[in-house]
Amino acid sequence: GENVEQHPSTLSVQEGDSAVIKCTYSDSASNYFPWYKQELGKGPQLIIDIRSNVGEKKDQRIAVTLNKTAKHFSLHITETQPEDSAVYFCAASFPGNQFYFGTGTSLTVIP
Amino acid sequence: GAGVSQSPRYKVAKRGQDVALRCDPISGHVSLFWYQQALGQGPEFLTYFQNEAQLDKSGLPSDRFFAERPEGSVSTLKIQRTQQEDSAVYLCASSLEGRVLNQPQHFGDGTRLSIL
Repeated sequence: GENVEQHPSTLSVQEGDSAVIKCTYSDSASNYFPWYKQELGKGPQLIIDIRSNVGEKKDQRIAVTLNKTAKHFSLHITETQPEDSAVYFCAASFPGNQFYFGTGTSLTVIP
Repeated sequence: GAGVSQSPRYKVAKRGQDVALRCDPISGHVSLFWYQQALGQGPEFLTYFQNEAQLDKSGLPSDRFFAERPEGSVSTLKIQRTQQEDSAVYLCASSLEGRVLNQPQHFGDGTRLSIL
């Protein structure tokens, strides 16, 4: 069945370093891949997304890359700051109006 | 408001009681989704509305769960005869158009449901 795997589950980096989170998906028909940031007690907030006709997208310190052949996509955060600390979720669209989410990565940026 | 609004933020109920959770989507958004998020997990799809039509309810875990969106705006998720395993955060999301496969979803802050 449809599945999105996310790694790592936890990630600690020093402030200023980069953080990379990776996801794989199972359905080759998926064509939209958003990333969400969730802070404690809040709902997921969209931070960046990519569609299947694009291999890379960048927004300031955040970038996402997509490899459709390998069915994986990654989130890259550069120059990390303490306020980047949160749980990050990847997601992939599947036929049938559904998004499947990864299990989340808890990112801690150490000042 | 500008975002998705959910109420109540917290709900405590005794096992066997019925509960109703409300979602106000972003004004003008056609699509509305309900998700269930267990502690330490990602959101899991429950159901999807396009305007007032419930097009997909395949994620509802049992017939105790019922959702409606009668006027194509506000939606209510109802859980009857609650069980302890229903304890979770229930998230609502909306998106602008009906073609949802490549549209961003905007989430509310959820309702944390605790069943005693």
